[in-house]
Amino acid sequence: DTGVSQDPRHKITKRGQNVTFRCDPISEHNRLYWYRQTLGQGPEFLTYFQNEAQLEKSRLLSDRFSAERPKGSFSTLEIQRTEQGDSAMYLCASKGDYNEQFFGPGTRLTVL
Amino acid sequence: GIQVEQSPPDLILQEGANSTLRCNFSDSVNNLQWFHQNPWGQLINLFYIPSGTKQNGRLSATTVATERYSLLYISSSQTTDSGVYFCANDYKLSFGAGTTVTVRA
Repeated sequence: DTGVSQDPRHKITKRGQNVTFRCDPISEHNRLYWYRQTLGQGPEFLTYFQNEAQLEKSRLLSDRFSAERPKGSFSTLEIQRTEQGDSAMYLCASKGDYNEQFFGPGTRLTVL
Repeated sequence: GIQVEQSPPDLILQEGANSTLRCNFSDSVNNLQWFHQNPWGQLINLFYIPSGTKQNGRLSATTVATERYSLLYISSSQTTDSGVYFCANDYKLSFGAGTTVTVRA
């Protein structure tokens, strides 16, 4: 399978704990995007990378959120001191030379 | 950011029926995509259609960029077409709230 992969698929954590999610994009896709989706809503943009450079961050990305893509391949999204409002589906997408984005299966976070 | 309005919010169909979903955009259309989200949350690409018309089996889509809207047509609907349909626009994909389609056997 050469699609976008995300790990873990599900994460349950207690409020105040830190969590980290990983995204592996389609091979050779130089752009990688993170989105968040809450129940009944469409996904919302969080941040994106071109290769290893983080080019844009949404105002939704508070100080507790940090994303990296150190070698321009996989990316991690870390949430520190999780809050119940962070419960959501976190989606990753990648894009190559063409403009179409392809999404991974998502990581569903539940904060108790 | 770009505002995306999808209609209708909910659609109930009898198997075999045809339907049309619509997206309106507050700004210029580019990088427009249609997705189907399955019950497990996976977004499945249906069309990349910044302009013109495309068809894929029983699905087709039309984007009129000058009037800032796009349409998704589902013909001869099947129960497997059930789910949430999203349109999204712009380089960082602004999504609408989705249309929830339920196809009854």
